[in-house]
Amino acid sequence: GAVVSQHPSRVICKSGTSVKIECRSLDFQATTMFWYRQFPKQSLMLMATSNEGSKATYEQGVEKDKFLINHASLTLSTLTVTSAHPEDSSFYICSANRQGWGDTEAFFGQGTRLTVV
Amino acid sequence: GDSVTQMEGPVTLSEEAFLTINCTYTATGYPSLFWYVQYPGEGLQLLLKATKADDKGSNKGFEATYRKETTSFHLEKGSVQVSDSAVYFCALNPGANNLFFGTGTRLTVIP
Repeated sequence: GAVVSQHPSRVICKSGTSVKIECRSLDFQATTMFWYRQFPKQSLMLMATSNEGSKATYEQGVEKDKFLINHASLTLSTLTVTSAHPEDSSFYICSANRQGWGDTEAFFGQGTRLTVV
Repeated sequence: GDSVTQMEGPVTLSEEAFLTINCTYTATGYPSLFWYVQYPGEGLQLLLKATKADDKGSNKGFEATYRKETTSFHLEKGSVQVSDSAVYFCALNPGANNLFFGTGTRLTVIP
């Protein structure tokens, strides 16, 4: 089946540094990928929609200069958390939609646990 | 706006017990409804889905029926196994590309 690979699965970084998270669709092309964030005991919240070859679309309240998204190819989107602070510590997960015959299914990466110290 | 309210966990059951995880939704229009499962160390996987009222999604012994009159999509399984231990997410797609998720319910099945 379709697989979306997300890397790294865990990362610990120092406050003020930047962290890049990769999301790859391994066996299908994804013109659109989605980045979600999950706070403890809360829902996954959509942060932004990543569009191949164009600028990402950010949800209200998400700082685009802090969460840089690049979707340079049909199989790769990256999320860079710039100048990370402890409040950025969270679980980040990406997804990509695969178009089927009259159906669209979302496939998710494994998620990245970011801890900023 | 669109949202999903999901039963909070954690839920701990003995093997072969009956499972129900409640999920209700708020949406304009006619959303598709999903249950996703996340096993330890893995990404979310689609467990089952229903695209219209009265549809029943089923997979691996799990079932959920799309109830428009009660705006619900409760997940059930008649006899859980230790291997069912995971986090379960209810979600809806209002027709756009992205999904709205519930908070997730952690299920632990003990032998």
